[in-house]
Amino acid sequence: QVQLQESGPRLVKPSGTLSLTCAISGASISSDKWWSWVRQAPGKGLEWLGEINLGGTTNYNPSVVRRLTMYREDSKNQFSLELTSVIAADTAVYYCARHVVDSATPIEDWGQGTLVTVSS
Amino acid sequence: EIVLTQSPGTLSLSPGDRATLSCRATQSVSWYLAWYQQKPGQAPRLLIYDTSARATGIPDRFSGSGSRTDFTLTISRLEPEDAAVYYCQQYDRTPLTFGGGTKVEIK
Repeated sequence: QVQLQESGPRLVKPSGTLSLTCAISGASISSDKWWSWVRQAPGKGLEWLGEINLGGTTNYNPSVVRRLTMYREDSKNQFSLELTSVIAADTAVYYCARHVVDSATPIEDWGQGTLVTVSS
Repeated sequence: EIVLTQSPGTLSLSPGDRATLSCRATQSVSWYLAWYQQKPGQAPRLLIYDTSARATGIPDRFSGSGSRTDFTLTISRLEPEDAAVYYCQQYDRTPLTFGGGTKVEIK
């Protein structure tokens, strides 16, 4: 059973960088699966941010493409997200997730999510 | 971007009732449509994928149907634990998108 655990600062100042890591247990990040980040603003719906695959190929949502970077750390079995120039609207619960296979498949596993607040 | 519109926004039904949730896409997503259940304070859980396939461990009272732009999630006999928000999601093309959700309340 794969487990995903998000970690990172819970409070980020406006114009700063939001950095999160997803630690994977019960599976290898080096498997042929795609890994995504999804966020949910308080009381709102789900927004897919981007995905990364075995070879490090990424796809980002156009809504955040200029501000988002995702990368993998295979030696630590984790992947990470950096979102720059954050504003209050970036306040959300951030979930890391694993697809059944690739991005043309649904999300099978989710982390528990971590609330990140953008505020001075 | 493919926009998914879910209706109704809220369903208020009694245990044993049948719930019918709708998801409409602005363009065809073929059969690449999933449904997730989300309870308060929890991550979403995959219920249905490829329009009609149940994910592992999902009771057979949950079923999905549809194609191209119109999809339906049916809960045949509501149980109290089915109270949640249900989201549809398309994975036909990026950016992956979700519907706005339907909240199912149990009277």
